[in-house]
Amino acid sequence: NAGVTQTPKFRILKIGQSMTLQCTQDMNHNYMYWYRQDPGMGLKLIYYSVGAGITDKGEVPNGYNVSRSTTEDFPLRLELAAPSQTSVYFCASSYRSGGPSTDTQYFGPGTRLTVL
Amino acid sequence: DAKTTQPTSMDCAEGRAANLPCNHSTISGNEYVYWYRQIHSQGPQYIIHGLKNNETNEMASLIITEDRKSSTLILPHATLRDTAVYYCIVRVGWNSGGYQKVTFGTGTKLQVIP
Repeated sequence: NAGVTQTPKFRILKIGQSMTLQCTQDMNHNYMYWYRQDPGMGLKLIYYSVGAGITDKGEVPNGYNVSRSTTEDFPLRLELAAPSQTSVYFCASSYRSGGPSTDTQYFGPGTRLTVL
Repeated sequence: DAKTTQPTSMDCAEGRAANLPCNHSTISGNEYVYWYRQIHSQGPQYIIHGLKNNETNEMASLIITEDRKSSTLILPHATLRDTAVYYCIVRVGWNSGGYQKVTFGTGTKLQVIP
């Protein structure tokens, strides 16, 4: 298994441009997440999904959009990029069953985004 | 989710045991303790988790106090490759609402010294 893969690894955007960060997992996990990590800070949840067709906001959703058309893919869309969105973006996935359970999140390698 | 408190940084000599503490005094009965680590510029990596009992796997041991208000992650023989930021997280094992807010915080920066 490749686990969680993210593309691109690096990207520089100009203010006002848009882009999509790709995330794919091959572990058949039902939950997927997008986090951002600013320098020297912890991770903040942007959006999450509990299954195909179902998404919801996390702590810092403004300026982002997501979709989940398949189990495997969870792209993050940045519209009208701003310097405040300069950050490292991590995608993660986990498996949760219908009953009492714990889940472990598996993270991708990250996308380093700079908005100038 | 319960809030956790960790020291900002720690040093450990290579080959010695690294003991990383975490305080979670407001933990609820159904919340698990998770540990992740993040090696520079990489995505966080799961290490171990537990509810009440002490746990051990190939990477580390987790010691949870009887009152569950604190825990310690033990790396038995630290190597240079264990230099990373270690995050202690508490979260419920089951949430009927389906949303598991996970707060990673800033963690403990462990520096393993040759």
